[in-house]
Amino acid sequence: DADVTQTPRNRITKTGKRIMLECSQTKGHDRMYWYRQDPGLGLRLIYYSFDVKDINKGEISDGYSVSRQAQAKFSLSLESAIPNQTALYFCATSDSDSNTDTQYFGPGTRLTVL
Amino acid sequence: DQQVKQNSPSLSVQEGRISILNCDYTNSMFDYFLWYKKYPAEGPTFLISISSIKDKNEDGRFTVFLNKSAKHLSLHIVPSQPGDSAVYLCAAKYLGGSEKLVFGKGTKLTVNP
Repeated sequence: DADVTQTPRNRITKTGKRIMLECSQTKGHDRMYWYRQDPGLGLRLIYYSFDVKDINKGEISDGYSVSRQAQAKFSLSLESAIPNQTALYFCATSDSDSNTDTQYFGPGTRLTVL
Repeated sequence: DQQVKQNSPSLSVQEGRISILNCDYTNSMFDYFLWYKKYPAEGPTFLISISSIKDKNEDGRFTVFLNKSAKHLSLHIVPSQPGDSAVYLCAAKYLGGSEKLVFGKGTKLTVNP
C-alpha cells in the first residue's frame, strides 16, 4: 500500500465550484505539504503544516485553503475554482525528527477547471 | 527569480553510458540539496541528497556532486539504464530555515536501448 495517498486522482469541475482534494499518509510523519505543478514550471508550495495546529502559507496560497484534520490527513480546498487553477497537485510529508526532513510525495491529483 | 535552475530541459543518452544532469542555484543560504525522479502520472520519488558540508554523495549507480563555490550540483548515473528514463527534479532548502523546498523545472532524461 502507498504511504501517501491522494483522492481523487483526477477531477474535472466548472468555474465557481468548491473543490476539496484530500491527502492521507501512513508514514507517521508530522509535516505535510501541498504543491502544484504547471507545465514548464517547477513544483510550487501552496500550504504546509508542521503539526495539527500549525498551518502556514506557501508562495502561492491565494485562492486556496487547507485543513489538517489529524496528523495523517491534510486537505486542500479551492473555495471557488477558476481555470488557472488547472494543474497537477501533489501532497508531501516529512518527518521533523529526521536529520534531513526529506519530503515524500503522493501520486498527485490532476485537476481541470472548465 | 528562479533560485534553482535546471538549464537543460532534456537529455538523451545511450544505455550503459553516463548520464550527467546539472543544477545551479543562486541562494547561498541553501545547505541541503535533493534529487527527485518523476515518472508521468506519478509523484516525485526521492532519489539522493547531499548536505553542503559534503562535496559528494554516492548511492549505487547514482552520485551527486556539489560545488559550493560555483553554486552547482550534478547528478551522475552510471551506467544508465532504460528504466532511468524520467524527469529529474533538483531541489534545495536550508535546514532550520523555512523548511521550504525550492524546485527546479526538471530535466527529462531519455536512455535509449
